[in-house]
Amino acid sequence: AQKITQTQPGMFVQEKEAVTLDCTYDTSDQSYGLFWYKQPSSGEMIFLIYQGSYDEQNATEGRYSLNFQKARKSANLVISASQLGDSAMYFCVITSPGSARQLTFGSGTQLTVLP
Amino acid sequence: ETGVTQTPRHLVMGMTNKKSLKCEQHLGHNAMYWYKQSAKKPLELMFVYNFKEQTENNSVPSRFSPECPNSSHLFLHLHTLQPEDSALYLCASSQDATGLANYGYTFGSGTRLTVV
Repeated sequence: AQKITQTQPGMFVQEKEAVTLDCTYDTSDQSYGLFWYKQPSSGEMIFLIYQGSYDEQNATEGRYSLNFQKARKSANLVISASQLGDSAMYFCVITSPGSARQLTFGSGTQLTVLP
Repeated sequence: ETGVTQTPRHLVMGMTNKKSLKCEQHLGHNAMYWYKQSAKKPLELMFVYNFKEQTENNSVPSRFSPECPNSSHLFLHLHTLQPEDSALYLCASSQDATGLANYGYTFGSGTRLTVV
């Protein structure tokens, strides 16, 4: 079984500042993938970034970077230069190969960017 | 436009009604999923279809009945629902449902269902 823990139910950040959203995971799989998704109030899940368990480099996508610490089972999302449009719920997600590739979601962190 | 379209966006139904949720994708993906998002709970996988075959039923009550007529369309038929079934139902698609991939899943905007 896999599990994602997001310990920050809510976070505030000032516009233009950086923010780190925490994520720890638990899995018995040797090979797995970690995602971060953003869910604005409109409801859709928007893919942000992916990190494979065997990737040696931390993933980056524009203003998003993933601080992957495999030994600590940690996959924190760093958003640089926050924008008002970044206000949303953020989910850390884990998946693993198998006959049906399921996503296991964390409980989410509600990020609010302040002007 | 996310590539995955869900209709309707909002649905209010009585416990004795029968309704269907529709999901459509034209991304060339072969796997489609139904997820349930209840308030204050993590997203829960309900069903997985891979190449039109159902490969996963995550202990979902029989009042939810999925249908996948082709790789582009997925339905969730609802009947005799309970108020606790009120939630956001999200459809997603991916290239397939085997192996790992870093291209992620594409989600629709969801159907917000209220059972009265």
